[in-house]
Amino acid sequence: DAKTTQPNSMESNEEEPVHLPCNHSTISGTDYIHWYRQLPSQGPEYVIHGLTSNVNNRMASLAIAEDRKSSTLILHRATLRDAAVYYCILKVIQGAQKLVFGQGTRLTINP
Amino acid sequence: NAGVTQTPKFQVLKTGQSMTLQCAQDMNHEYMSWYRQDPGMGLRLIHYSVGAGITDQGEVPNGYNVSRSTTEDFPLRLLSAAPSQTSVYFCASSYSYGPGGENYEQYFGPGTRLTVT
Repeated sequence: DAKTTQPNSMESNEEEPVHLPCNHSTISGTDYIHWYRQLPSQGPEYVIHGLTSNVNNRMASLAIAEDRKSSTLILHRATLRDAAVYYCILKVIQGAQKLVFGQGTRLTINP
Repeated sequence: NAGVTQTPKFQVLKTGQSMTLQCAQDMNHEYMSWYRQDPGMGLRLIHYSVGAGITDQGEVPNGYNVSRSTTEDFPLRLLSAAPSQTSVYFCASSYSYGPGGENYEQYFGPGTRLTVT
């Protein structure tokens, strides 16, 4: 399985933008990039996904490098409720929907 | 919609006991799966199902059994609990698994915290 690399932790201030990086240098042409987050004592929650183009939704934006070897999840105005572990995942299209979770990035938001 | 529900929320077992973790979804999703999460680690896939009557193994299937008799339910059975199975278990479901399935997000339940002594 293609692997992702994320920083173990990041810290930001409330109401400021947050850029969460992810490296996936072994990504194949058909792997989708998915982001999930896990709030304390909860199950993971879908955030956003993309293949080649940048994507926006109500929660976040996803910026994908032109060579697709890296991506960045952007939270435009962080709130205290955004404090969570964020997982960058490559989703293969062959066989079952297998989400391979790495260690993720623990995001701390300071008031 | 209730989404994905799991019962129980907490469970303590003694080594050698058996139990079933329940998972149900009301979204008519084809795909369901079970993950375990150990402290400081990401989620690891135990078993998955692509439809009623069809199941397959994930990356850590040993010690667990599953069945899928209906679209809605996907129970996980621990036949003889061991301390190494102490973990938080998450059930997830998704609309589709085949081509195009990569476009669908997975919905996770709230988890079952299991302790085996």
